[in-house]
Amino acid sequence: QQPVQSPQAVILREGEDAVINCSSSKALYSVHWYRQKHGEAPVFLMILLKGGEQKGHDKISASFNEKKQQSSLYLTASQLSYSGTYFCGTGSNFGNEKLTFGTGTRLTIIP
Amino acid sequence: ETGVTQSPTHLIKTRGQQVTLRCSSQSGHNTVSWYQQALGQGPQFIFQYYREEENGRGNFPPRFSGLQFPNYSSELNVNALELDDSALYLCASSTTGKGEQYFGPGTRLTVT
Repeated sequence: QQPVQSPQAVILREGEDAVINCSSSKALYSVHWYRQKHGEAPVFLMILLKGGEQKGHDKISASFNEKKQQSSLYLTASQLSYSGTYFCGTGSNFGNEKLTFGTGTRLTIIP
Repeated sequence: ETGVTQSPTHLIKTRGQQVTLRCSSQSGHNTVSWYQQALGQGPQFIFQYYREEENGRGNFPPRFSGLQFPNYSSELNVNALELDDSALYLCASSTTGKGEQYFGPGTRLTVT
């Protein structure tokens, strides 16, 4: 079943923070986060494995709560380049994963 | 390092026709996964190829088929095209043991 993302859409001013949530009804082994700009391919951001691991690079980080079957993506001090649609993809087998993507969250950053 | 490439970029076909889409995986990657992305939706997993064999399939009918070649490139074939097959077709390459998948630019298929 498809993970549910929230919010569906959000508009922020440059410099503001955002949190995007991804919830699954199935037990998760891994969560993958991607950003897709209009007309382009999804770009890999990060992968998290079960165990509540938190990862991050630059001002984008994510957490994974295995018990709640949820992951959250945190965008700090957002930049114009962060605009796009964010998708979480859930996997059940690390290594050769077949991802089930969420419903997507459209993020718009305005100056 | 060469990224994932796909061809063609755009394609227009008529209902009932057949189509072949191509994907070259990123250098060093041995696994290719294909996804269908309808407008405004997230990508949907079609199937995955590893060592030239199908390694998992999503909820797509048999008229969607594929191949992987010894150089790890891959093809997606769709027979008897239907209007609902209109979508962006994405391939993603990865390496066994490393979960991250890297997507190609996609092929936009329009069925009229």
